[in-house]
Amino acid sequence: DARVTQTPRHKVTEMGQEVTMRCQPILGHNTVFWYRQTMMQGLELLAYFRNRAPLDDSGMPKDRFSAEMPDATLATLKIQPSEPRDSAVYFCASGLKGAEAFFGQGTRLTVV
Amino acid sequence: QKEVEQDPGPLSVPEGAIVSLNCTYSNSAFQYFMWYRQYSRKGPELLMYTYSSGNKEDGRFTAQVDKSSKYISLFIRDSQPSDSATYLCAMSASAMGGAGGTSYGKLTFGQGTILTVHP
Repeated sequence: DARVTQTPRHKVTEMGQEVTMRCQPILGHNTVFWYRQTMMQGLELLAYFRNRAPLDDSGMPKDRFSAEMPDATLATLKIQPSEPRDSAVYFCASGLKGAEAFFGQGTRLTVV
Repeated sequence: QKEVEQDPGPLSVPEGAIVSLNCTYSNSAFQYFMWYRQYSRKGPELLMYTYSSGNKEDGRFTAQVDKSSKYISLFIRDSQPSDSATYLCAMSASAMGGAGGTSYGKLTFGQGTILTVHP
């Protein structure tokens, strides 16, 4: 059963703490995306990778967000330090061809 | 103005009704068009995928793309309570397998339409 797996599913943290979200893309997919979803803005692209190389991270606040792919089976998104305005659902998606992207179940982040 | 506009609804219809969901866009470079369905507290699930203009049918779902008008639609026939969800349109100017450029498969989403089908 091929699917994108994200951990943790839920995270509550205090302002100023570091948050790390992880994603395991579908095996064989070489393009990985990080999206953020909020009620106000909808789904926004934060960063994406092809063959583990970052292609575009212009959607991320560079001073506090970082995205990496240590290997083909793991993508990470870190926020340091976290702020209440970072509260959102963060989705990872992966794909291989065309424009079909397959999404994980998301990490629901609450920063208090 | 956003690149992709979608009426957020909410849309409420009786079971068995035909549902029409729409998006308009401004970027003429878009050539891949998708509809995602998102249930509450779940990730978006790819429902329909279309390249360029035309129609595509899959069971009770029909996707239409009119590039000349920059307008896409999703029709749901014989709607069921299980269709109650948020429907998101998404578009891309390039494919993930393509060569050149740096926008491989980058998706731009509409705001989503909340649909409720009541028994």
